[in-house]
Amino acid sequence: GQSLEQPSEVTAVEGAIVQINCTYQTSGFYGLSWYQQHDGGAPTFLSYNALDGLEETGRFSSFLSRSDSYGYLLLQELQMKDSASYFCAGGASGYSTLTFGKGTMLLVSP
Amino acid sequence: SAVISQKPSRDICQRGTSLTIQCQVDSQVTMMFWYRQQPGQSLTLIATANQGSEATYESGFVIDKFPISRPNLTFSTLTVSNMSPEDSSIYLCSVEDRSEETQYFGPGTRLLVL
Repeated sequence: GQSLEQPSEVTAVEGAIVQINCTYQTSGFYGLSWYQQHDGGAPTFLSYNALDGLEETGRFSSFLSRSDSYGYLLLQELQMKDSASYFCAGGASGYSTLTFGKGTMLLVSP
Repeated sequence: SAVISQKPSRDICQRGTSLTIQCQVDSQVTMMFWYRQQPGQSLTLIATANQGSEATYESGFVIDKFPISRPNLTFSTLTVSNMSPEDSSIYLCSVEDRSEETQYFGPGTRLLVL
């Protein structure tokens, strides 16, 4: 089976850096995706790690270590608009059937 | 990226009735997915719909309760049948994008069953 664990809530202040961890137990799992969802909105894609290591996209970076069954999303220079829920998701690829973690609610305060 | 629309955006229904949710994408895609998300919860995959074949349902979801149609490469419907209050949720469709290694999600349908 597949399960992904992430913290339920993280708080930080504007301008800070925050890391959201995701650990997983899966079979047939080859990559880790991250999605952002604002309250009332649809999930939007942030990043996908098909290989071990760090992927950087602007203020957001994502890391994967398959040997440790672990990944994280790093958000830098936090802004108020980054307050949202963040989901890690695993699957055979970034576009195939995905299993989502329970989500981490990030609260950014002034 | 794909542009996805869903209809209706929200509905309030009586128990025992059925609701069909439509998902339209602006480009041809092989795989479409239907998810359920209860308020404050994660996304749970209901089924995967490929054009020209029966949908593949995840554990805990059955075709009699959630029949799915996929008549062409840009459209799909999900029906929530014989609804109960426990079916109150947000229903989301998504489509694959193999070049971007991602899925794109529609805006969702908020369903309240009384």
